[in-house]
Amino acid sequence: NAGVTQTPKFRILKIGQSMTLQCTQDMNHNYMYWYRQDPGMGLKLIYYSVGAGITDKGEVPNGYNVSRSTTEDFPLRLELAAPSQTSVYFCASSFEASDEQYFGPGTRLTVT
Amino acid sequence: GENVEQHPSTLSVQEGDSAVIKCTYSDSASNYFPWYKQELGKGPQLIIDIRSNVGEKKDQRIAVTLNKTAKHFSLHITETQPEDSAVYFCAVNSGSARQLTFGSGTQLTVLP
Repeated sequence: NAGVTQTPKFRILKIGQSMTLQCTQDMNHNYMYWYRQDPGMGLKLIYYSVGAGITDKGEVPNGYNVSRSTTEDFPLRLELAAPSQTSVYFCASSFEASDEQYFGPGTRLTVT
Repeated sequence: GENVEQHPSTLSVQEGDSAVIKCTYSDSASNYFPWYKQELGKGPQLIIDIRSNVGEKKDQRIAVTLNKTAKHFSLHITETQPEDSAVYFCAVNSGSARQLTFGSGTQLTVLP
């Protein structure tokens, strides 16, 4: 099993550009999550999904959108990138809520 | 929402000594308390977790203790080794979907 994979690893965006961060898991997990991690800070939940077709906002959803059309994939869309979105983004998955979360390697995004 | 405070933010210990990291939380309904280790450039990885029906859990050199009355829990690492150097995060479940709220992290450095 590859676990949780994320692409790209690094990306530089100009202000106002858009992009999609890809996340795929091969563990047949129901739950998937997107977090952002700013320097010296913990992980903040952006969006999560409890199953295909079901998504919900986390603590910091503004400026982002998600979809979950399949169990495996949970892409994160950034529209109109802003410097405040410069961060490291982690995707994670778990079989159930309140269960071990498996994290991807992260995407380092810079918006200039 | 849930408020998780983690202390200290940095911790340096001599190899072979013990390290203790503490977290407090606010939601009395929380019942799942994991600890994650994040090595440089990687995603967090679960090292130990505890549920509210037990007060202590141990796995080799790592232990977690929970005081539900006082709403705090701690990570204990004994006989520290250089490979224990990393950032450690506590987390607590909360909210309708029992999603995790993370502490701000502790940078542990084990000096040889």
